[in-house]
Amino acid sequence: DGGITQSPKYLFRKEGQNVTLSCEQNLNHDAMYWYRQDPGQGLRLIYYSQIVNDFQKGDIAEGYSVSREKKESFPLTVTSAQKNPTAFYLCASIRGTGATGELFFGEGSRLTVL
Amino acid sequence: DAKTTQPTSMDCAEGRAANLPCNHSTISGNEYVYWYRQIHSQGPQYIIHGLKNNETNEMASLIITEDRKSSTLILPHATLRDTAVYYCIGPEGSQGNLIFGKGTKLSVKP
Repeated sequence: DGGITQSPKYLFRKEGQNVTLSCEQNLNHDAMYWYRQDPGQGLRLIYYSQIVNDFQKGDIAEGYSVSREKKESFPLTVTSAQKNPTAFYLCASIRGTGATGELFFGEGSRLTVL
Repeated sequence: DAKTTQPTSMDCAEGRAANLPCNHSTISGNEYVYWYRQIHSQGPQYIIHGLKNNETNEMASLIITEDRKSSTLILPHATLRDTAVYYCIGPEGSQGNLIFGKGTKLSVKP
């Protein structure tokens, strides 16, 4: 079955360490997104990528980095520069590049920084 | 650009219709309105989307006003499993990046 796979589901890291969250999709979708969600809050856009080798900053990109070397993969690195990295991270993808149509979400990765 | 506003929370009795409003007064003529819901600690789930005509699928109905400045998501017979946060979103920005606000927390009560 096609879908989006995020890993790991839970991750614990010490303060000051970089962390990379994986997002893989086999839906042949062009655009991919990373969102952050804090308790009781909505989703905030970190980065998005419309096509391979191109990505754009969202509202809260500071302290994060991404790459899009392959269509099916869009990993997110939470760097030590991110002041409050503990959060629920969601990856999504959509067919086409105009953001019209259904967004497919992964199950999320919950990062806790100790 | 379509910036949306929704009530923070709503209650609905089990078996009754849940009507969730959304204002999107800045939406442009070719922008769709999308609805998603998120059950606690899961990824959001797509419900429905529309442009200017009313839409219906197996999950819900979407009523869009003629001026397209607002819409209402209707869950015709709400169940306890419909308790979730419901997001009304529209594409913003020149790249069409989809922006989620805080949504409406719907509580379906027995």
